[in-house]
Amino acid sequence: QSVLTQPPSASGAPGQRVSLSCSGSSSNIGSSTVNWYQQVPGTAPKLLIYNNDRRPAGVSDRFSGSKSGTSASLAISGLQSEDEADYYCGAWDDSLNAWLFGGGTKLTVL
Amino acid sequence: QITLKESGPTLVKPTQTLTLTCTFSGFPLSTNTVRVGVGWFRQPPGKALECLALIYWDNDKRYSPALKSRVTITKDTSKNQVVLTMTHMDPVDTATYYCARHETVATRSFDYWGQGILVTVSS
Repeated sequence: QSVLTQPPSASGAPGQRVSLSCSGSSSNIGSSTVNWYQQVPGTAPKLLIYNNDRRPAGVSDRFSGSKSGTSASLAISGLQSEDEADYYCGAWDDSLNAWLFGGGTKLTVL
Repeated sequence: QITLKESGPTLVKPTQTLTLTCTFSGFPLSTNTVRVGVGWFRQPPGKALECLALIYWDNDKRYSPALKSRVTITKDTSKNQVVLTMTHMDPVDTATYYCARHETVATRSFDYWGQGILVTVSS
């Protein structure tokens, strides 16, 4: 069981907006920045969001991140079939002195 | 262009030691003008990512608390390689192993990843 908690699955129809959550604690999300990674099955993770809400060059502005307290969220607007993937949140944990990932949310585009 | 690629055995027997090499290009791991690290991660089939170990430009090392006794990370800056060794391999260690760059200043994230290597532990 991951220290960062993500719902195992989410879904939405093409064109819709979905929000994926990541819940942690004061020793990780509460005191560190959150990153989000997208992993299409069979491929390596790809950095999607860094520093809570920043997008790397080349990442669509349909993806946005936010953080409040000990929770973070990834929003995807205008859902497309290519967004079907697993999404992981990640953060440093001061107590464990380790990088943590959530258990991942599998996004299905209906 | 920044790239990383994992190499090593794809099949190891229980109790053996696993040695994986990450060969990277496009950035140095030896100077504080580019403050980066390289980390090793694993992902069992159908499961989540786990960070195993990290090594930085200044040779600072970080290990997963759960695997600290079994894992060692080293770097060879002349070859642009980072090596992970994991002792006492068990079938539960079957996973895809990835290496990734850790950018510590601007993004503070794992911004470039290798393609991964599937390691199966079986007799």
